[in-house]
Amino acid sequence: NAGVTQTPKFQVLKTGQSMTLQCAQDMNHEYMSWYRQDPGMGLRLIHYSVGAGITDQGEVPNGYNVSRSTTEDFPLRLLSAAPSQTSVYFCATGQETQYFGPGTRLLVL
Amino acid sequence: QKEVEQDPGPLSVPEGAIVSLNCTYSNSAFQYFMWYRQYSRKGPELLMYTYSSGNKEDGRFTAQVDKSSKYISLFIRDSQPSDSATYLCAMNPYSGAGSYQLTFGKGTKLSVIP
Repeated sequence: NAGVTQTPKFQVLKTGQSMTLQCAQDMNHEYMSWYRQDPGMGLRLIHYSVGAGITDQGEVPNGYNVSRSTTEDFPLRLLSAAPSQTSVYFCATGQETQYFGPGTRLLVL
Repeated sequence: QKEVEQDPGPLSVPEGAIVSLNCTYSNSAFQYFMWYRQYSRKGPELLMYTYSSGNKEDGRFTAQVDKSSKYISLFIRDSQPSDSATYLCAMNPYSGAGSYQLTFGKGTKLSVIP
């Protein structure tokens, strides 16, 4: 039982490149979400999903896309990376309470 | 006014001290209250959660919720250097039907000095 897994752990991108951050959970939760964490800003919700085929925007969705084809997986796509997207990204799953993955550190040059 | 206020610290205490961490909030709809512990360069780890008002104890940790004052606390007894981390409070109105969004405080950084 791995809980919530995220890949990669660390990534360096050049401005304009695209990439997908992977998130998988084996807790059979319907709700999954993506956050970014920046110094002084706390955790901010990017996108979330209440089940397969259903996604919605959070507080800071611009520049990110998501899809949810299965209960287990919830990838986050950066379409054209910008230096402002340098951050630590966390995936979370749960209902009344949520469980976080280990994070992906992204540096955009 | 921000929905959740949390003193960022840093808070530095000697080993063995009792630590009190607090958050205030403004949204009376919050029903679930959580504390997360986050070590440096790691993901937030759920430490404790409480539904509605009252106290909950787990080993050296006690969580308190006072909904009338919109105030929650986390107490750590006999603090250890391994408790050094950032502590985040989080809240959720959870009225069912997929409304699971959490509102977080910005975290308090705690250092326990041996």
